Amino acid sequence: DTEVTQTPKHLVMGMTNKKSLKCEQHMGHRAMYWYKQKAKKPPELMFVYSYEKLSINESVPSRFSPECPNSSLLNLHLHALQPEDSALYLCASSPPTGQIEKLFFGSGTQLSVL
Amino acid sequence: LAKTTQPISMDSYEGQEVNITCSHNNIATNDYITWYQQFPSQGPRFIIQGYKTKVTNEVASLFIPADRKSSTLSLPRVSLSDTAVYYCLVGRYGGTASKLTFGTGTRLQVTL
Repeated sequence: DTEVTQTPKHLVMGMTNKKSLKCEQHMGHRAMYWYKQKAKKPPELMFVYSYEKLSINESVPSRFSPECPNSSLLNLHLHALQPEDSALYLCASSPPTGQIEKLFFGSGTQLSVL
Repeated sequence: LAKTTQPISMDSYEGQEVNITCSHNNIATNDYITWYQQFPSQGPRFIIQGYKTKVTNEVASLFIPADRKSSTLSLPRVSLSDTAVYYCLVGRYGGTASKLTFGTGTRLQVTL
């Protein structure tokens, strides 16, 4: 299995809602990433997990809360989002430390905040 | 990690060879270069990766000069389906997961 699976593919939520994005990989990768991408812009790094521990937080607002329950799963919990948070949210994984990082991306969740 | 600079856009006709150059002046000794391709509403897809000289796979070649301050992605005989955004990233070998940051990317438009 060489895929990173993201669910849901599309999500519409109000500013008072709580929702979660899910990401799953079964490639034995030990680094997992969340990126945010606005239309016609490059992906922006949000969080990096290494061996299930949060290693990088790019000063992301607390209304985004990442979670890595195990080495195969990565969640992004969303609460009280703003319309400007509407974007494509991409999850990626990479082989273990000691190997060259090579990102495997999912197809993303297209999020619309109303 | 080194910041990357690429042309914003390029145009090509189908069947031509396309070369996209990326500048990474501050590349460190244990950094490597990776190129990704992205279609609209999809995640980026790995194309090729290298450290120095030339690397070739079934879809592209990557040329890295001796000073490693730049790299060139070469796409032979492009087709309409190669229309996409191409990103070059600089990453670190052997460390913990790093801040793999995307630059602006190059938007390649292939026409007949």
